[in-house]
Amino acid sequence: KNQVEQSPQSLIILEGKNCTLQCNYTVSPFSNLRWYKQDTGRGPVSLTIMTFSENTKSNGRYTATLDADTKQSSLHITASQLSDSASYICVVSDGSGTYKYIFGTGTRLKVLA
Amino acid sequence: DTAVSQTPKYLVTQMGNDKSIKCEQNLGHDTMYWYKQDSKKFLKIMFSYNNKELIINETVPNRFSPKSPDKAHLNLHINSLELGDSAVYFCASSQDSPTVTGELFFGEGSRLTVL
Repeated sequence: KNQVEQSPQSLIILEGKNCTLQCNYTVSPFSNLRWYKQDTGRGPVSLTIMTFSENTKSNGRYTATLDADTKQSSLHITASQLSDSASYICVVSDGSGTYKYIFGTGTRLKVLA
Repeated sequence: DTAVSQTPKYLVTQMGNDKSIKCEQNLGHDTMYWYKQDSKKFLKIMFSYNNKELIINETVPNRFSPKSPDKAHLNLHINSLELGDSAVYFCASSQDSPTVTGELFFGEGSRLTVL
């Protein structure tokens, strides 16, 4: 069964600190993996997309990694800011040609001043 | 200049009523979706339309009926509302399928509360 699991479920850090969020998936065949950020009361917004051949991709202070062999991805946030407080959702697309995206359960990040 | 817009943003209604949520996208995308986000913040696909044709219809009660009058609009009508229908409903669109770039663009969500 295609599944995407994220850890931790929630995380609290101090402003300026770094953190890493994890995503493990069992989607097959694999096509690509996306990280989305969802602010409270808003819709999710894409941060990065990674295909099978990509190991690392950065978007400002956000760096995503992908290990297609172990089926793991991480999202590293550097020098966190209060505005980073949000839910981060890992979304995997399978390569079967359907229009289904498989969503992770999300990690709720809170950055404190 | 909103890309995916949903109305209403908030909806409070009594059990048994019928309600609709409207969605419009101005991105020129071919595919639109409805997702339900429950209290645990998990996003679950309900329906997807590609060029006005239904392509995904998950296990959703037939009280939920999507309608796509054209590829820029996808509305969701819910009959005989139940307490368990309370959730945030997100509309989204994408240009390509998930196997291509297929980035999802989400609306701001419509919070439905059934009393």
